[in-house]
Amino acid sequence: DAKTTQPTSMDCAEGRAANLPCNHSTISGNEYVYWYRQIHSQGPQYIIHGLKNNETNEMASLIITEDRKSSTLILPHATLRDTAVYYCIVRGLMNSGYSTLTFGKGTMLLVSP
Amino acid sequence: DTEVTQTPKHLVMGMTNKKSLKCEQHMGHRAMYWYKQKAKKPPELMFVYSYEKLSINESVPSRFSPECPNSSLLNLHLHALQPEDSALYLCASSQTDRENEKLFFGSGTQLSVL
Repeated sequence: DAKTTQPTSMDCAEGRAANLPCNHSTISGNEYVYWYRQIHSQGPQYIIHGLKNNETNEMASLIITEDRKSSTLILPHATLRDTAVYYCIVRGLMNSGYSTLTFGKGTMLLVSP
Repeated sequence: DTEVTQTPKHLVMGMTNKKSLKCEQHMGHRAMYWYKQKAKKPPELMFVYSYEKLSINESVPSRFSPECPNSSLLNLHLHALQPEDSALYLCASSQTDRENEKLFFGSGTQLSVL
């Protein structure tokens, strides 16, 4: 799977949009971009995923650049409960014929009042 | 029901003990996963089961023994663990193991090995 690069940490004011960037310059055509988040001592929570097109759901929006080398997760109105580690993951089919979800270091998002 | 249930939530065991972690889902998912997460580190994949068969073992020591008795259950048998095996053990499931299927995670078992 392609490697991802994310900032170590970010701050956001409550009520503002949180824009979390992710670089995945070696992504291949059949690899998906996934976003998960993990609140302290809980299991990772699925947020959103996409292949080429931008995606939106009740939690967030995912913007993927046209060349697919980077993406941005947007939380439109951040709340204190959005404070978590956010993981950007590229997932595709490996040469072995299997597909796994491999976590990188993620971005620690701190939402403050 | 979109839950993955893990029991116990906390476990303390000695190095000579034998214990088991249990994971259950009733979403009809056919892929199940074990991850290990050390403090302040990202989760690391240990095992993947697809249609009740072990498909991936990420070179995990034999003191960790996975078992998938049926499509809803996943166990992790622990024997002769070391203190450095203390970690949060996470179970996950997905419809299949294909790359476009999202994983649902349980809340984990916090394991302490004394």
